[in-house]
Amino acid sequence: SQQGEEDPQALSIQEGENATMNCSYKTSINNLQWYRQNSGRGLVHLILIRSNEREKHSGRLRVTLDTSKKSSSLLITASRAADTASYFCATVAAAGNKLTFGGGTRVLVKP
Amino acid sequence: GAVVSQHPSWVICKSGTSVKIECRSLDFQATTMFWYRQFPKQSLMLMATSNEGSKATYEQGVEKDKFLINHASLTLSTLTVTSAHPEDSSFYICSARAWELDGYTFGSGTRLTVV
Repeated sequence: SQQGEEDPQALSIQEGENATMNCSYKTSINNLQWYRQNSGRGLVHLILIRSNEREKHSGRLRVTLDTSKKSSSLLITASRAADTASYFCATVAAAGNKLTFGGGTRVLVKP
Repeated sequence: GAVVSQHPSWVICKSGTSVKIECRSLDFQATTMFWYRQFPKQSLMLMATSNEGSKATYEQGVEKDKFLINHASLTLSTLTVTSAHPEDSSFYICSARAWELDGYTFGSGTRLTVV
């Protein structure tokens, strides 16, 4: 089963612009993670934010977490054509170790 | 860093045959591995949790007899799709977690086409 929804489902931007995508989830979590998937390939872990954290940065990535709203956002700043991929949020429940994915956002960065 | 190797990367098989997909953790031990299924332009759906030395835990709606999982060692889990049918055609991905890392490491996936 999927944990929740991602918004938007697809995003098309110009190189240099910022890309923002949102993720909502349903249950209490231990942490929330963001992954990138290039077409037909495996997933690459981008960043993890724990339930007691509100914001985290990694390079051009900024993740926020609002546990009261059960939502998270991923911001990619100064996007590049190489950022074109699908981005998924995934949660690990407060109890357990299963990683459950949201619906994903397909990002197209045009050169 | 942690690497998960998944083989084969693609396979075409005839209806009614069985296909085995391997997932190996190359530089770490994984007592738990996860198997996902992904349809085109969709998200990953967790199929089952593979536990070393014990039975796999299947998600609701996943047929245990259809998707056989074996986790015989700390570095290898296998998924066998038995009596495959065209509707089993999909992208299957495994993952595991190395405890020193924050995230989960994924294999490169196996694209199964049943004809």
